[in-house]
Amino acid sequence: QSVLTQPPSASGTPGQRVTISCSGSSSNIGSNTVNWYQQLPGTAPKLLIYSNNQRPSGVPDRFSGSKSGTSASLAISGLQSEDEADYYCAAWDDSLDGVVFGGGTRLTVL
Amino acid sequence: EVQVVESGGGLVQPGGSLRLSCAGSGFTFSDYTMNWVRQAPGKGLEWLSYISGSSYTIYYADSVKGRFTISRDNAKDSLFLQMNSLRAEDTAVYYCARRGVVAATFYMDVWGKGTSVTVSS
Repeated sequence: QSVLTQPPSASGTPGQRVTISCSGSSSNIGSNTVNWYQQLPGTAPKLLIYSNNQRPSGVPDRFSGSKSGTSASLAISGLQSEDEADYYCAAWDDSLDGVVFGGGTRLTVL
Repeated sequence: EVQVVESGGGLVQPGGSLRLSCAGSGFTFSDYTMNWVRQAPGKGLEWLSYISGSSYTIYYADSVKGRFTISRDNAKDSLFLQMNSLRAEDTAVYYCARRGVVAATFYMDVWGKGTSVTVSS
């Protein structure tokens, strides 16, 4: 069982907006920033969002992140077929003294 | 180009040992905290360990504490993971990842392609 909770799957049609949730606790999301990683099929993870809502250079502004209390979410607008991937949330956990990941959400573009 | 490249994976018997390496290039390796993250077949990501640039600060996940040892050689721009007492559940792709530099936040901004470890008799 992952420390952070994500839905196992999500889907949308091209052009739609989808959101992926990530739920944690006071020791992780509640007291630290949240990051999101995208893993395309057969590839290594890639940083998508850091510090709750910051996009690294090169990440389209269709991707956005937010955090409230002990939960966070990733929103993808104008969904494209190339967005089909696994998405993971992550945060530092003060009780475990380590990084914790969500179980991942597989996004399907219908 | 900023990159990290893992090596050293392979097939090992249960109870055996393996040493993974990660070579950094395109950045000042000693300035960065480095991490190991793994992904078992068909499963999610699991953070294992991190080591600060000076090697002063080291953390481990409970799942590998006492069995795995992280280290680095800044003169050779290299990161290592010594894995002992390997179990079948350690079978995974192992990624090396650089911690980003924005203060007060922990994220991994550069990832390698991974090296595969299989623990089986």
